[in-house]
Amino acid sequence: AQKVTQAQTEISVVEKEDVTLDCVYETRDTTYYLFWYKQPPSGELVFLIRRNSFDEQNEISGRYSWNFQKSTSSFNFTITASQVVDSAVYFCALSEDNFNKFYFGSGTKLNVKP
Amino acid sequence: KAGVTQTPRYLIKTRGQQVTLSCSPISGHRSVSWYQQTPGQGLQFLFEYFSETQRNKGNFPGRFSGRQFSNSRSEMNVSTLELGDSALYLCASSLGAGAISDTQYFGPGTRLTVL
Repeated sequence: AQKVTQAQTEISVVEKEDVTLDCVYETRDTTYYLFWYKQPPSGELVFLIRRNSFDEQNEISGRYSWNFQKSTSSFNFTITASQVVDSAVYFCALSEDNFNKFYFGSGTKLNVKP
Repeated sequence: KAGVTQTPRYLIKTRGQQVTLSCSPISGHRSVSWYQQTPGQGLQFLFEYFSETQRNKGNFPGRFSGRQFSNSRSEMNVSTLELGDSALYLCASSLGAGAISDTQYFGPGTRLTVL
């Protein structure tokens, strides 16, 4: 079974639109960590955020915000006022406190058009 | 601080050959993990090394192996290459000091093509 599901394969928006990328995870552990990474066309995964299972506080960083809800096992990512430079593939990942073994979702490709 | 570096960036090999990929972690990071990324299977965990010891391993055949040196640099080796081994191989480093999941920082990857 998939531990991390990103149901949106590809999303296209026009610049300045808000967009939310969904992430649903599955784990039986009480301690776990969730991550978001961005992969631009160059291929390198860029770290965006890390959350642990005990911290459900939502986080905002500039135009980026994250909504973590344990009740629905979701960790969604919202980009406000999207820009062309946001175009990339975004990955959600789960780690179950076992020495850096990450489970990645299949990724969501975001296309932001000018 | 320099990021994670991987060499080479691109490789072309033929079936049956073997290949060695190299990864230099961020200075001070002692954990190195390897991932394979393919269009069909996505990002899959290969293995993780910390202090020259393999701490965790994914579900890959024994043809995939790795090692870590005392300076934390890591290599992974794939023997008897198959067409399906064509992929982007990503290396990630983290502090790795404790038994919790650190943030992993990724290198640019090595694009392996098997003909």
